[in-house]
Amino acid sequence: DAKTTQPNSMESNEEEPVHLPCNHSTISGTDYIHWYRQLPSQGPEYVIHGLTSNVNNRMASLAIAEDRKSSTLILHRATLRDAAVYYCILRDNFGNEKLTFGTGTRLTIIP
Amino acid sequence: DTAVSQTPKYLVTQMGNDKSIKCEQNLGHDTMYWYKQDSKKFLKIMFSYNNKELIINETVPNRFSPKSPDKAHLNLHINSLELGDSAVYFCASSHRQGAYNEQFFGPGTRLTVL
Repeated sequence: DAKTTQPNSMESNEEEPVHLPCNHSTISGTDYIHWYRQLPSQGPEYVIHGLTSNVNNRMASLAIAEDRKSSTLILHRATLRDAAVYYCILRDNFGNEKLTFGTGTRLTIIP
Repeated sequence: DTAVSQTPKYLVTQMGNDKSIKCEQNLGHDTMYWYKQDSKKFLKIMFSYNNKELIINETVPNRFSPKSPDKAHLNLHINSLELGDSAVYFCASSHRQGAYNEQFFGPGTRLTVL
């Protein structure tokens, strides 16, 4: 699986938007971009994924650069419950099913 | 209803003992996984089973033996426990088809080897 690079940590104020960046300059044409998050003392949970186009769901939005070498997870209005480690993961559609987690970004929400 | 459940939640044991962790999913998925999260919070795949068959084994010591009695269960048995086995173990499940499928994780089992 191709590698991703994320900032180690970020802070944001409650009720403000949060933009979490991810660089994946070696992404291949068949790699999907996935985001998972891990809340304290819980298992990881799926957030969103995309291939080429921007994606929205009830949790977040995913903005994918035109060259696909970077992406940004957008939390539109952060709450205290969004404090977690966010992982950006590439998954090859023709590879196996495992998730290869990096170190992620630890997001702190300031009340 | 809990989608992916694990038992026990906490497991404290002595070095050299044998222990098992159980995992069950009620999502109708055909693929299940075991991940290990070490003390530095690094999360890594250990095994994956599809329809009760092993499809991923990430160079895990032979002391670790997964067993899948049916598609809804994937248990992890660990022989001769060592201090380095202390970690949080997460079970997960998904549909196998394609890299777009999300994985659902259990709450984790914190194993402490003394």
